[in-house]
Amino acid sequence: DTAVSQTPKYLVTQMGNDKSIKCEQNLGHDTMYWYKQDSKKFLKIMFSYNNKELIINETVPNRFSPKSPDKAHLNLHINSLELGDSAVYFCASSQASRGKQTQYFGPGTRLLVL
Amino acid sequence: GQNIDQPTEMTATEGAIVQINCTYQTSGFNGLFWYQQHAGEAPTFLSYNVLDGLEEKGRFSSFLSRSKGYSYLLLKELQMKDSASYLCAVREGTGFQKLVFGTGTRLLVSP
Repeated sequence: DTAVSQTPKYLVTQMGNDKSIKCEQNLGHDTMYWYKQDSKKFLKIMFSYNNKELIINETVPNRFSPKSPDKAHLNLHINSLELGDSAVYFCASSQASRGKQTQYFGPGTRLLVL
Repeated sequence: GQNIDQPTEMTATEGAIVQINCTYQTSGFNGLFWYQQHAGEAPTFLSYNVLDGLEEKGRFSSFLSRSKGYSYLLLKELQMKDSASYLCAVREGTGFQKLVFGTGTRLLVSP
């Protein structure tokens, strides 16, 4: 009965590799997000999709490419990984038209680039 | 632009009351959230304020003053399990909005 799920939970890889993280939500929400939480625990929005349309695209290197095949899924592909990409990546979802639009977070993907 | 400030760390004793402050400067304010994040886990929703005043929810209360750009989270009857980071987040914009998070306050509750 997981609400927002992410895979993998841990990802250790070499610099220069390409990797993907997947996110799925079963809350029936229409909006999904990717956040990056760095070593200082600062949580920052990267992207947001509403009904498969990109609506927020913060200043993120173009090595990061999100993709939403449907409104329940949001994936993140990262090309040419760099040491500075090491962080925890959280997926979240909300319902855009519902009151306070509370965002619910997935468990996070811990990425370590060596 | 946005600027959200919280104390980095606070300590308190089990059974006590603690107040975690958050000040913000932002354009297009559209609500303020508090999230709790235990180490190694996801942030979880605690409270939401969009109008001035106090919102109470069990042991947790949150206060907002829009004119002062100020909010606080009040935790009563502290328990050891309340040791966590508390994140203040401001919702900005109209239409499709985004959450801007503060750096978080790490609370340590001791026996």
